[in-house]
Amino acid sequence: GAGVSQTPSNKVTEKGKYVELRCDPISGHTALYWYRQSLGQGPEFLIYFQGTGAADDSGLPNDRFFAVRPEGSVSTLKIQRTERGDSAVYLCASSHGTGYEEQFFGPGTRLTVL
Amino acid sequence: QKEVEQNSGPLSVPEGAIASLNCTYSDRGSQSFFWYRQYSGKSPELIMFIYSNGDKEDGRFTAQLNKASQYVSLLIRDSQPSDSATYLCAVIRAGGYQKVTFGIGTKLQVIP
Repeated sequence: GAGVSQTPSNKVTEKGKYVELRCDPISGHTALYWYRQSLGQGPEFLIYFQGTGAADDSGLPNDRFFAVRPEGSVSTLKIQRTERGDSAVYLCASSHGTGYEEQFFGPGTRLTVL
Repeated sequence: QKEVEQNSGPLSVPEGAIASLNCTYSDRGSQSFFWYRQYSGKSPELIMFIYSNGDKEDGRFTAQLNKASQYVSLLIRDSQPSDSATYLCAVIRAGGYQKVTFGIGTKLQVIP
């Protein structure tokens, strides 16, 4: 079916505001990942879900960042009290979740915090 | 020391030449190694993965892994202008399950 989709493609917000970024993985993929990529850097791991549970959230930078995947499919990354340093492209990826396998990336959400 | 190190480049090669992209990693117990290609403004896409020491070939691409030296490389034969992109080396550490650590990426420019 379709690939990984992310909405919105672009988000501009003001410092201190709350934002939600959505990821819709490939149908049937049990594993879902969030990454953050700043200009000139590689993707930085944030959190990994296996099904509905966060299997590894060690990459979340602080408690302003939170992610959910309540039904094991769509995931939402939530950022509270945004800061200018949060500006980046937020990438979502999914995989079958059966082992050390290929991850399929979505197009990303470009977040700009003014 | 960074977990995954790459030279950011740019690496410039003439069309038709072999491009050699290199990556080192710090965790000796790392299990799986990936090369992703990322065009400007786009998301990464998988080019190659390798798990065992030695070479793995797929078309014009060859991945090479040397676990003793903690070194993985990607060779692109007969380089084309369409290969111009940033190449990201990625590693799954031992016990890291699906947690992938990416390098900074090497920008490749293939000159026509």
